[in-house]
Amino acid sequence: GAGVSQSPSNKVTEKGKDVELRCDPISGHTALYWYRQSLGQGLEFLIYFQGNSAPDKSGLPSDRFSAERTGGSVSTLTIQRTQQEDSAVYLCASTYENYRRGHYGYTFGSGTRLTVV
Amino acid sequence: DAKTTQPNSMESNEEEPVHLPCNHSTISGTDYIHWYRQLPSQGPEYVIHGLTSNVNNRMASLAIAEDRKSSTLILHRATLRDAAVYYCILTNFGNEKLTFGTGTRLTIIP
Repeated sequence: GAGVSQSPSNKVTEKGKDVELRCDPISGHTALYWYRQSLGQGLEFLIYFQGNSAPDKSGLPSDRFSAERTGGSVSTLTIQRTQQEDSAVYLCASTYENYRRGHYGYTFGSGTRLTVV
Repeated sequence: DAKTTQPNSMESNEEEPVHLPCNHSTISGTDYIHWYRQLPSQGPEYVIHGLTSNVNNRMASLAIAEDRKSSTLILHRATLRDAAVYYCILTNFGNEKLTFGTGTRLTIIP
C-alpha cells in the first residue's frame, strides 16, 4: 500500500496476557520506528531499526517489551505480561535514509490503540 | 540532542496565514529541521523539512533564519482542518530518532 499499515487498529487485552502489534512499513523504506502515546501525552520513542544495523532499543521501558523486524520489512512489537500502564496508542513510522541522497520525512501509521483491563 | 522551543498554543482565523515559530539556538550544522502535525485521534503527519534554505511544498512553507537558530512554519491560508498540534523537531544522520516535545496546539477560529 501507499502508507504505513498497523494492525490491529484496536486491541483490548487482560492484564498479564501477551500481545503482538504489527507494522507494515512503506516498501523500500530502510528505517522503522516504534513510538507510543499515552492518553493526553506526547510521543515516547521506543525502538528504531535501520537496515541491517543493530536496533536502537534505548526507549523500551522494560524487558517485557521487545521488537523484531523480519527481512528488513514487517516489524512486530511484543509486550509480555501486559500491565494497565501499557495502555496507549502504539505508533509505527518508516522513512528512507540515504546519506548520499539526502534526508526524508517520516510516515506514521494510524496506530494500534491498546487497552489493558 | 539539540532542543526546540515552541509556544504552547496559538490561535488563527480561518483563511488567514499562520506563522508558527520555533527556536533551536543549539542547532548543529548537520541538524535538519522537521515539522510534523498531529490531528486529533491520528498519528503524526509529515509537513515539511529543511536544512538551510527556505522550503515550499503543497502543505506549507518553511522559513529558516540565516543563523539557523530559529525557523517558522507558514500555513498560507488556514482552514479548520489545519487545527492540530504542530511539532518542530531536529534530527540528523546518525541520530535519526524524532524526539517529540509538547508542540504548539493550533486552534483555527471560523
